[in-house]
Amino acid sequence: DAGVTQSPTHLIKTRGQQVTLRCSPKSGHDTVSWYQQALGQGPQFIFQYYEEEERQRGNFPDRFSGHQFPNYSSELNVNALLLGDSALYLCASSVLDMATNEKLFFGSGTQLSVL
Amino acid sequence: GQSLEQPSEVTAVEGAIVQINCTYQTSGFYGLSWYQQHDGGAPTFLSYNALDGLEETGRFSSFLSRSDSYGYLLLQELQMKDSASYFCAALNTGGFKTIFGAGTRLFVKA
Repeated sequence: DAGVTQSPTHLIKTRGQQVTLRCSPKSGHDTVSWYQQALGQGPQFIFQYYEEEERQRGNFPDRFSGHQFPNYSSELNVNALLLGDSALYLCASSVLDMATNEKLFFGSGTQLSVL
Repeated sequence: GQSLEQPSEVTAVEGAIVQINCTYQTSGFYGLSWYQQHDGGAPTFLSYNALDGLEETGRFSSFLSRSDSYGYLLLQELQMKDSASYFCAALNTGGFKTIFGAGTRLFVKA
């Protein structure tokens, strides 16, 4: 049973460019959340997708957008990249059930460097 | 909004017991989770408390007091491999999102 997979593992971009990160959730999971983690900090919630819709959003600008596909996989898009967007981007999958949703399964992340 | 506070660093010796505290301020609080993250790795789930009291999972235990907006993670029989960052995280009823603290870096010394 594959866990959460993310691609690519590393990415280098320049300011102003756009980037797309991809995530496949753990088998049986229907909810995908995206997090940004700066070095030495905790994961910051970007948004959550369920049934192909954004259900919750953190304090991130509209430059950050996403999508969820019918197979539950998800993409995170970031436009007009800034130096401050350099971070580890984590995808976490779960089941939308309060009885079990407390347990997030994380992928290994995409390390984005903006030069 | 939500915020969680935890110590930035804790140091302990191998074989000892260490407690990592977490206080939270949040609306719509549902439960408190704990995650471990080794350098270069992904966060992994350790424990979860929805009700007041102690939950035990092997060498790790977690405690929650809703009235005090406080929880802790207790690690017993510390091993060198326990050196990692530990995050408390609050699950919110308003949409099932999980908000993380800044993390506590645990150093285990021989």
